[in-house]
Amino acid sequence: DTAVSQTPKYLVTQMGNDKSIKCEQNLGHDTMYWYKQDSKKFLKIMFSYNNKELIINETVPNRFSPKSPDKAHLNLHINSLELGDSAVYFCASSQDAEGANTFGSGTRLTVV
Amino acid sequence: KQEVTQIPAALSVPEGENLVLNCSFTDSAIYNLQWFRQDPGKGLTSLLLIQSSQREQTSGRLNASLDKSSGRSTLYIAASQPGDSATYLCAVPLGGSARQLTFGSGTQLTVLP
Repeated sequence: DTAVSQTPKYLVTQMGNDKSIKCEQNLGHDTMYWYKQDSKKFLKIMFSYNNKELIINETVPNRFSPKSPDKAHLNLHINSLELGDSAVYFCASSQDAEGANTFGSGTRLTVV
Repeated sequence: KQEVTQIPAALSVPEGENLVLNCSFTDSAIYNLQWFRQDPGKGLTSLLLIQSSQREQTSGRLNASLDKSSGRSTLYIAASQPGDSATYLCAVPLGGSARQLTFGSGTQLTVLP
């Protein structure tokens, strides 16, 4: 299946831990993204990345860092997790400026 | 800064009704607008993508319109069904050449059998 896939689907961890969420797309898209959906269901961009540039939303703490080993992967690393990081994180991808964004099914992160 | 507003926040209709969901955006210099559906606890499913040069797009019982000059889009759902119950989100690029999307807060639709 052509898709954007994220792992894990659920992640429960303690405050202060470091964790990673993986994302892979097999759509051949050139740009990948990470979005955060908070408890009020509001979706907000965190990062976008293609092979030329990384764009970081200014509100994202530097504890969050995207890492792209290749064009098809964009992983999200989070250091020193805090309670407020609990949310659903969505990976997405698109091809060119006019292309539709395709989303993964999300990773529900709970920090306890 | 692009801001997206969706009204109503929630809508409940009996099965079979036609309905309209509204989306407005502040920066009309967009190159597309996308409508998504999100089921509880699930990811986002893309419903329709309208390019800036288009006025509307149709997919089955769904029809989305775009009026760039007024900064508005509507999603029309014909003959609603209980399976249409979900949150509907519209999204536009942040602005300029940016591809990142700015989302509205969504309309939670409930179609009653």
